[in-house]
Amino acid sequence: DAGVTQSPTHLIKTRGQQVTLRCSPKSGHDTVSWYQQALGQGPQFIFQYYEEEERQRGNFPDRFSGHQFPNYSSELNVNALLLGDSALYLCASSLPMGWEALYNEQFFGPGTRLTVL
Amino acid sequence: EDKVVQSPLSLVVHEGDTVTLNCSYEVTNFRSLLWYKQEKKAPTFLFMLTSSGIEKKSGRLSSILDKKELFSILNITATQTGDSAVYLCAVDQGAQKLVFGQGTRLTINP
Repeated sequence: DAGVTQSPTHLIKTRGQQVTLRCSPKSGHDTVSWYQQALGQGPQFIFQYYEEEERQRGNFPDRFSGHQFPNYSSELNVNALLLGDSALYLCASSLPMGWEALYNEQFFGPGTRLTVL
Repeated sequence: EDKVVQSPLSLVVHEGDTVTLNCSYEVTNFRSLLWYKQEKKAPTFLFMLTSSGIEKKSGRLSSILDKKELFSILNITATQTGDSAVYLCAVDQGAQKLVFGQGTRLTINP
């Protein structure tokens, strides 16, 4: 089992550009969440995808968008990049669950380090 | 505004020492509190706590939750250099939407 995989590992972009990050969930997982972790900070929840739809969203602007494919893999897109978007972007996947169910462990990928110059 | 605050932000101890990491929270919805260890990139799951006063234990690590005072502690006894990492506390607000603290960077010197 490969676990959660993310690509690319590192990425350097300039302000105003657009970027797409990719995530493949752990086998059997259908829920994918994305987090942004700035240097020296804890991860911040961006959004979560389940059944190809955005189910929950954190306090991030519309420049951050995503998609989930039928095979449960997911993409995170960021438009009009700002210097402040430089961070480690983490993807986490988990087993199916209902809104009222107890926590199912989220498995994190190794992240994509995005640097915006 | 929902917030999770960890202390200390950084801690340096010698191998064999015992450490206590703190996590306090103020959130609108609480379903559980989780601890993660982050060594390089991917946080790895340590504990999930849902009930007050029940200690969770795994080897030299243990954790407890106080839902009245809104805090949790993570204890590590007989620390080893391999325990060096950033320890993250997070609150699950429901359906796995996690609010993380800023982390405690723990350094164990031999």
